[in-house]
Amino acid sequence: ENVLTQSPGILSLSPGERATLSCRASQSVTRNYLAWYQQRPGQAPRLLIYGASSRATGIPDRFSGSGSGTDFTLIISRLEPEDFAVYYCHQYDTSPCSFGQGTKLDIK
Amino acid sequence: QVQLVESGGGVFQPGGPLRLSCAASGFTFSDYAMHWVRQAPGKGLEWVAVISYDGGNKYYGDSVKGRFTISRDKSKNTLYLQMNSLRVEDTAVYYCARGNGLGYFYMDVWGKGSTVTVSS
Repeated sequence: ENVLTQSPGILSLSPGERATLSCRASQSVTRNYLAWYQQRPGQAPRLLIYGASSRATGIPDRFSGSGSGTDFTLIISRLEPEDFAVYYCHQYDTSPCSFGQGTKLDIK
Repeated sequence: QVQLVESGGGVFQPGGPLRLSCAASGFTFSDYAMHWVRQAPGKGLEWVAVISYDGGNKYYGDSVKGRFTISRDKSKNTLYLQMNSLRVEDTAVYYCARGNGLGYFYMDVWGKGSTVTVSS
């Protein structure tokens, strides 16, 4: 199984700041089949990024994804109040699929 | 609009069976793979299973392999998860999600979830 490790576990920032979230895979995600999801409290997850860097429909351009191989990054360029949530990475390159343990983005 | 609605959750005894359903609408169900993902209370997301668009291929997470079965009914636009030999650790919110793209499919549409509690 390809284990995904996200860092940091908790990120405390203020609105307007830039957030950088990391996802490291134990094995190479060879086809860049890596997605990012946002989950707000009490809600289902929402797709943000797929294919490591493609924004999903309706996702603001302040969200961007990058990376390849074993290291991937989600950047939120200027935090809005609604961006404070938990973020998960997900590899769909190999079975079994796997999620990272999540990064909680907290208001400072 | 595109929608997924899960049902079938509740409180169940350890060792028993349970079948979850996920009704799909607003898109051509038979064109897409479908996933089940679960989230234990206060925990992160755990992938459970995926089924291909035609039902011909099914893959499972290690923690449910041999106990859970994913299936789909094209005529009813419905996805199922048959859960047998339930364990306390199967307690979670179960989400169905539409699979898109290539590989083992990213999840572009999610239901609101169905809560399963396994307790004696």
